Amino acid sequence: ELKVEQNPLFLSMQEEKNYTIYCNYSTTSDRLYWYRQDPGKSLESLFVLLSNGAVKQEGRLMASLDTKARLSTLHITAAVHDLSATYFCAVDNQGGKLIFGQGTELSVKP
Amino acid sequence: GAVVSQHPSWVICKSGTSVKIECRSLDFQATTMFWYRQFPKQSLMLMATSNEGSKATYEQGVEKDKFLINHASLTLSTLTVTSAHPEDSSFYICSAAPDEQYFGPGTRLTVT
Repeated sequence: ELKVEQNPLFLSMQEEKNYTIYCNYSTTSDRLYWYRQDPGKSLESLFVLLSNGAVKQEGRLMASLDTKARLSTLHITAAVHDLSATYFCAVDNQGGKLIFGQGTELSVKP
Repeated sequence: GAVVSQHPSWVICKSGTSVKIECRSLDFQATTMFWYRQFPKQSLMLMATSNEGSKATYEQGVEKDKFLINHASLTLSTLTVTSAHPEDSSFYICSAAPDEQYFGPGTRLTVT
């Protein structure tokens, strides 16, 4: 059974500092996704990672994938208040079914 | 990117009644759609896989007679919560995947 674990679950960040969220998964998978969720909203797609060593960047966020270690990271550079949200990683469990991590609630404080 | 819509965006119903939630792919055809449920402050949990023209596949622990799924066309899947109870109150989100997963805006169900 595929399990996906994120840590930390809560992250209080200071502006302009750097942070990393980790996503571990238990079995081999072809795809790993990162999503952002604002309160009361659905998911916003951030990144799709398809292969070992994949790295994608958008603004202050950068995601990477190490399929051998079954680990993905979401790195936040110089945090700003607009990044406050809950971030989920999700792993494709064959046929498009996604198994989600617990989510990491980010809060950026001045 | 592809667009998935849901209707209604929120609904309040009385205990014992049934509620239907629609999920539409607006600019692509989806032979498969997925239904997720999210309780407050929790992650998303896959409920079922909706297959066009055939029966849905339910995840372990999800009552198929309570959560009826119909995927009657390539652009529409419906989830009906039958005999709803307060514990069914949740945020229901559908998704479809022409290439990567695209999520609908969600439906917030409150059962009183």
